This record gives sequence, C-alpha cells and structure tokens, in this order.
Amino acid sequence: DVKVTQSSRYLVKRTGEKVFLECVQDMDHENMFWYRQDPGLGLRLIYFSYDVKMKEKGDIPEGYSVSREKKERFSLILESASTNQTSMYLCASSSPPGNQPQHFGDGTRLSIL
Amino acid sequence: AQTVTQSQPEMSVQEAETVTLSCTYDTSESDYYLFWYKQPPSRQMILVIRQEAYKQQNATENRFSVNFQKAAKSFSLKISDSQLGDAAMYFCAFTPVFQGAQKLVFGQGTRLTINP
Repeated sequence: DVKVTQSSRYLVKRTGEKVFLECVQDMDHENMFWYRQDPGLGLRLIYFSYDVKMKEKGDIPEGYSVSREKKERFSLILESASTNQTSMYLCASSSPPGNQPQHFGDGTRLSIL
Repeated sequence: AQTVTQSQPEMSVQEAETVTLSCTYDTSESDYYLFWYKQPPSRQMILVIRQEAYKQQNATENRFSVNFQKAAKSFSLKISDSQLGDAAMYFCAFTPVFQGAQKLVFGQGTRLTINP
C-alpha cells in the first residue's frame, strides 16, 4: 500500500526558531509537494520538486525553503518561524503523467508561539 | 492565473439521499485535469474522482459522479445514496496538462455533513 509519512503529527515551536518538517514516501515517486492548509483558503502550494535536488516555488514560498537530497525524502524548512506560519502542513507525492493522483501524508499541525 | 472556487463552505444531506457539491474554475488553458479529493476528519486526503478535459463523457466511480461543463468551466460532484462515511471536507482541484510536475490549484473546500 502507498505510504507518505510526515515526521510529526503535532509540533509546537517558538518565534524565530528554525523548524524542519520531514516527509518520506515509499512509492518511488518523482514528484513531491508541500502545501499549507488554512480554513477557508483550501490548500496552497508552498514548494514542489520533480526530481532529486530539484525544487520549484509554488504559490506561497516566502519564509520557506526545501531540500530534496534523496528521491524518497522532501523536507520543508521554516528559516525563522513566525506566528503567521501556524497552520496545517501537508506533504504529497505523485508520478507523471499529470492525471495521476497525489498521495498525501497525515499532515503536521504546527503552532508557532 | 488559474483559480478554483467552491461556493458552498458547508453542505448537509440525509443519509441515503443525493447531494451535489459545486466547483467552478478559471483558466485560459484548453487541456487540463480536474479532481475531487476527500479529507475525512483527522484522516488522509484521498482522491475521489478525476476528469480529463478532453473527454466529453463524465467520470463516474461507484456512487460518485461528476457533471463536467467545459464551456461553463464547471465541475460539480454528485454523491448518490450518501453514507455516514462520506462525511468529510471535499476539495476540487485543477492542473494544466503541460506544466512539468503536476501543480494542483485547490478550491476552498466544502464540509459535507451526513445526517442519520
């Protein structure tokens, strides 16, 4: 069965901290994605990657960076966490072509105090 | 820029009845894919149904079907014989065909409640 695993279900951090959210997939998918989910706004794409060491900005990349050193792992980094980054973060993966479904992790609910 | 709009923040339906969730999108692309995803409470987001824009026939998956109106840029989801397990947030999503990695644009979501 396909599996996307996010390292934490709940996380509480302080303003100014550097925060790492980790995501691992076991499906050998080329594409990986990071979204944030906020009530009334749906899911918004932060960054995505279509190959190892490749990354592309999504719609809301400000304040975030990513790393993909291995095909199965995609990390989201909050360089200096701020309260407006309190949100639910979802990782997903997929393979081409574009009509293939994205497979999602359980999500990380991140609170920045 | 592409946008997806779900105008119904919340919907409710009696068990065993039929409900339709609305979705409209805006794009200048002629070839694209459309999806409905379901997010049950505290559970993973999963694909419900998908539609290729070049196909005129509406997609169906068991009790789930879509009404795809390309000219109107409308993509509604119909759930027949609603069951308690259908209670979830439903998201409509869009991606153009030729854009490298699939880059989904999601709507705001519709929370569906099933009344027993």
